Amino acid sequence: SQTIHQWPATLVQPVGSPLSLECTVEGTSNPNLYWYRQAAGRGLQLLFYSVGIGQISSEVPQNLSASRPQDRQFILSSKKLLLSDSGFYLCACPNRAENEQYFGPGTRLTVT
Amino acid sequence: AQKVTQAQTEISVVEKEDVTLDCVYETRDTTYYLFWYKQPPSGELVFLIRRNSFDEQNEISGRYSWNFQKSTSSFNFTITASQVVDSAVYFCALSESIQGAQKLVFGQGTRLTINP
Repeated sequence: SQTIHQWPATLVQPVGSPLSLECTVEGTSNPNLYWYRQAAGRGLQLLFYSVGIGQISSEVPQNLSASRPQDRQFILSSKKLLLSDSGFYLCACPNRAENEQYFGPGTRLTVT
Repeated sequence: AQKVTQAQTEISVVEKEDVTLDCVYETRDTTYYLFWYKQPPSGELVFLIRRNSFDEQNEISGRYSWNFQKSTSSFNFTITASQVVDSAVYFCALSESIQGAQKLVFGQGTRLTINP
């Protein structure tokens, strides 16, 4: 089964600063990859997904962007953070059958 | 649109009590999957179970059991003889097909506290 790595684990950034969160996956090839966000006291919402290198789909309009430079690497970025970008960011990868999703350990972002 | 409702925001019980977490969903799809995830204080989402829409058999795994009722669009989760280690936020989720991928639509979660 696959292993999902995320870093950093926690991050405190000032408003207006850039952001780069990384997700890498081991134990699988050509997976679909997903970025979810969990805002404080709320459920999880899908932000971006990717079905292959260089292919990014956005689910909600926002201040963030995503990129997939390599098969098992998924990056979440922002040029200028907003207070509303604070939250817990989770990267997910499905099993081969695409009927179960597994999540990485997450990055807790606080924008001050 | 797909929607998952977990009406119970917080539940608190005493250890060894049984507790049921409710989940109701809405979907247009005829084939879909339902999931339960556990989120302990560490934050990581732990996969608990997947249910296929055309398999309504109830499932039991140790102290955990799941009741899928397609007629009422519900997928409830029961913990029998609860333990303090069961304290966590539990999320119910529904799959939605999106252009070659599978999106998960989550409920708002139920925070379960098991008191010693």
